[in-house]
Amino acid sequence: GEDVEQSLFLSVREGDSSVINCTYTDSSSTYLYWYKQEPGAGLQLLTYIFSNMDMKQDQRLTVLLNKKDKHLSLRIADTQTGDSAIYFCAESIGGYSTLTFGKGTMLLVSP
Amino acid sequence: GAVVSQHPSWVICKSGTSVKIECRSLDFQATTMFWYRQFPKQSLMLMATSNEGSKATYEQGVEKDKFLINHASLTLSTLTVTSAHPEDSSFYICSAGVPRESYEQYFGPGTRLTVT
Repeated sequence: GEDVEQSLFLSVREGDSSVINCTYTDSSSTYLYWYKQEPGAGLQLLTYIFSNMDMKQDQRLTVLLNKKDKHLSLRIADTQTGDSAIYFCAESIGGYSTLTFGKGTMLLVSP
Repeated sequence: GAVVSQHPSWVICKSGTSVKIECRSLDFQATTMFWYRQFPKQSLMLMATSNEGSKATYEQGVEKDKFLINHASLTLSTLTVTSAHPEDSSFYICSAGVPRESYEQYFGPGTRLTVT
């Protein structure tokens, strides 16, 4: 079955880069996503990557995909305290099929 | 951008009562809505997928008679938790999408249900 794994916690200092890692098991995953969830709120799509891409950059966010190892990472440059949240990795087979989420990584940014 | 709302944002109910949660797409018509459940410090688990005008498709292990889903229009889906029990206390999140147009699902802010 499908499984998405993430490390549970990451702590960084403001201004540093953060790297959140994710591994997935389903080789037929075609879309991989990163969502951000602030306390008590729903999920906000940060970025996504299609499986035929290796990298995607969007302002402070860089997504790297190693399809061979089924490893996805999200790098946040110049991390700010406002980036403190839970970050979920998710995958889907096809662009609009159901999402399978990891358990989320709590990012804590200290001043 | 596409906005999805949920109502109520939080609700407390007594064991044995039923609670209805609404999910609305405010500025677009959603042909498909998804309902997720999130336990503390855990991932979102898909409960069911509903397409407008048809019966919802439930994930394995989700009781369809307990979690009633209605998707009567392109902008509204409801989840009714019937005969709620404390173990149903959770954070319920809906998302909406237009599969023929976009890969993206737009998430609501969630509803926190506490059953006492």
